[in-house]
Amino acid sequence: EDQVTQSPEALRLQEGESSSLNCSYTVSGLRGLFWYRQDPGKGPEFLFTLYSAGEEKEKERLKATLTKKESFLHITAPKPEDSATYLCAAGKGRDDKIIFGKGTRLHILP
Amino acid sequence: DAGVTQSPTHLIKTRGQHVTLRCSPISGHKSVSWYQQVLGQGPQFIFQYYEKEERGRGNFPDRFSARQFPNYSSELNVNALLLGDSALYLCASSSRTGYEQFFGPGTRLTVL
Repeated sequence: EDQVTQSPEALRLQEGESSSLNCSYTVSGLRGLFWYRQDPGKGPEFLFTLYSAGEEKEKERLKATLTKKESFLHITAPKPEDSATYLCAAGKGRDDKIIFGKGTRLHILP
Repeated sequence: DAGVTQSPTHLIKTRGQHVTLRCSPISGHKSVSWYQQVLGQGPQFIFQYYEKEERGRGNFPDRFSARQFPNYSSELNVNALLLGDSALYLCASSSRTGYEQFFGPGTRLTVL
């Protein structure tokens, strides 16, 4: 069964304390691995797409990496405004079906 | 350019009623997908349409239906509403299949 699992479920960090969020996936016919940020009551905001193992993408304090079974979202020196739920999703098949994980709720303390 | 728009933003219905949610994709995007997100969970895939044809369907009952119009906007219909249908309904568009999707703000549906 296709599955995307994120860990930890929640993470509290001090401002400036770097860390990583994990996304493990078992998806047949993977076409892309996506990361989104979601603020409460809003739609997910697109961050990155990764297509092949070894690929890395960066945006400000965020860097996403991909292996054959996992993806990591590294957060360097986070700020309180980085507090949000971070969603990992796997795209499969020839259609646009995307399988989401449950997300990691990140809280950055000032 | 405007992003994905959805209407209405909030909706309150009672059990047994039906509801229609609307979505306009980003200009130039021909693919629209619908998701249901309950509190504390990731979005669950409901439907995907590309060029007005259904390309994918998630594990939702037949009470859920959708369609895409010639201008690529889309409607999600839910009949015989149940309390468990209360959720944030998200629409997403993409330029082509298999590419990243961009989400709208969602419609918050409450079923009483």
